Amino acid sequence: SQTIHQWPATLVQPVGSPLSLECTVEGTSNPNLYWYRQAAGRGLQLLFYSVGIGQISSEVPQNLSASRPQDRQFILSSKKLLLSDSGFYLCAWSKGGGFNEQFFGPGTRLTVL
Amino acid sequence: DQQVKQNSPSLSVQEGRISILNCDYTNSMFDYFLWYKKYPAEGPTFLISISSIKDKNEDGRFTVFLNKSAKHLSLHIVPSQPGDSAVYFCAASTPGTYKYIFGTGTRLKVLA
Repeated sequence: SQTIHQWPATLVQPVGSPLSLECTVEGTSNPNLYWYRQAAGRGLQLLFYSVGIGQISSEVPQNLSASRPQDRQFILSSKKLLLSDSGFYLCAWSKGGGFNEQFFGPGTRLTVL
Repeated sequence: DQQVKQNSPSLSVQEGRISILNCDYTNSMFDYFLWYKKYPAEGPTFLISISSIKDKNEDGRFTVFLNKSAKHLSLHIVPSQPGDSAVYFCAASTPGTYKYIFGTGTRLKVLA
């Protein structure tokens, strides 16, 4: 069966510090991978998605970047965090092709102080 | 531009009754729709989906209805249970885009 891991579960970082959140998927190959953010009281905002190694599509211009160094690894990064980067970050995967649901990881709660 | 809208931020229902959660969309190219359930501090879990070639899909207590002409879909939960209390998101995708647009969510509270 497939599983998705995210870490860390919670993170408190000062403004201006770097960020690295990692997501890995097990039990499948060549998944589509996604990063979402849920700000307080808001819906799920798609940040990045990837359909293959090294292929990253950005949905929202911002202070964040994403990378996919391996087939089942997706990393969300920032060089300098802003207060507005606080939120609940979710990684998800889906099978390639159409008509496939997404499966979400447990999320990372990021607080920037 | 919110292409997927859930206009009711919250809904309260008595245990055993029907819960109806609504979702409207503006993009006529959407052809696949999903509903997710989310508890606080957890990732969303997939509930049920429907493709645009259907108008109804059932899975146990959950039924999703799609009205393409009205660009509207709804999730029915019958009977509602206290464990159904959560935030529900609808999501939509267009062919070949590999991405999903989520609504803002509706918080369902099932009262015992």
